[in-house]
Amino acid sequence: DAGVIQSPRHEVTEMGQEVTLRCKPISGHNSLFWYRQTMMRGLELLIYFNNNVPIDDSGMPEDRFSAKMPNASFSTLKIQPSEPRDSAVYFCASSLRAGGPADTQYFGPGTRLTVL
Amino acid sequence: KQEVTQIPAALSVPEGENLVLNCSFTDSAIYNLQWFRQDPGKGLTSLLLIQSSQREQTSGRLNASLDKSSGRSTLYIAASQPGDSATYLCAVSSSNTGKLIFGQGTTLQVKP
Repeated sequence: DAGVIQSPRHEVTEMGQEVTLRCKPISGHNSLFWYRQTMMRGLELLIYFNNNVPIDDSGMPEDRFSAKMPNASFSTLKIQPSEPRDSAVYFCASSLRAGGPADTQYFGPGTRLTVL
Repeated sequence: KQEVTQIPAALSVPEGENLVLNCSFTDSAIYNLQWFRQDPGKGLTSLLLIQSSQREQTSGRLNASLDKSSGRSTLYIAASQPGDSATYLCAVSSSNTGKLIFGQGTTLQVKP
């Protein structure tokens, strides 16, 4: 398996623009997680899905952020409008199921977002 | 609210040395604890997962222990190598939801 795939790997945009990050989980995995990593706050969970359904979005910073999972093989994280403080590395991870005691999460390579 | 702390933030050791990385958490009611490795500019790679009913897990030169009552975990790396240089992250799941709370990580440098 190719692992978790994220695109783009790098994104540079200007403040106010819409940004869409994409993720393809490992085939057969039923849970998908979106994280954000910054130097100041470390790695934070934004939202996660189980069987394509959003379960917990309490980590989404504000209404400018939205995430969708239209099918088992694709998810998007959208920021509209983007702001400089959104600059971070965004990771997508998947696992066989959410919360199995022995189920680890497999991370993608991340998207480095820079908002000017 | 669960909080995860890793000490030290950075560590530099000569090649061949055995070393211990520390992780502490505030709420002992955890579901499992995981150790990840992150190389610069890369994603996270899972190293070891310890379920709440377990005391330790081993993989090659790595050994992770868990003491829930004291809220501590350690990652022991034997005979360190330059290729072990990376950031090591500890993460705790406090429920069966899969939500992970991460520590800030320990950045390890192993000098040849």
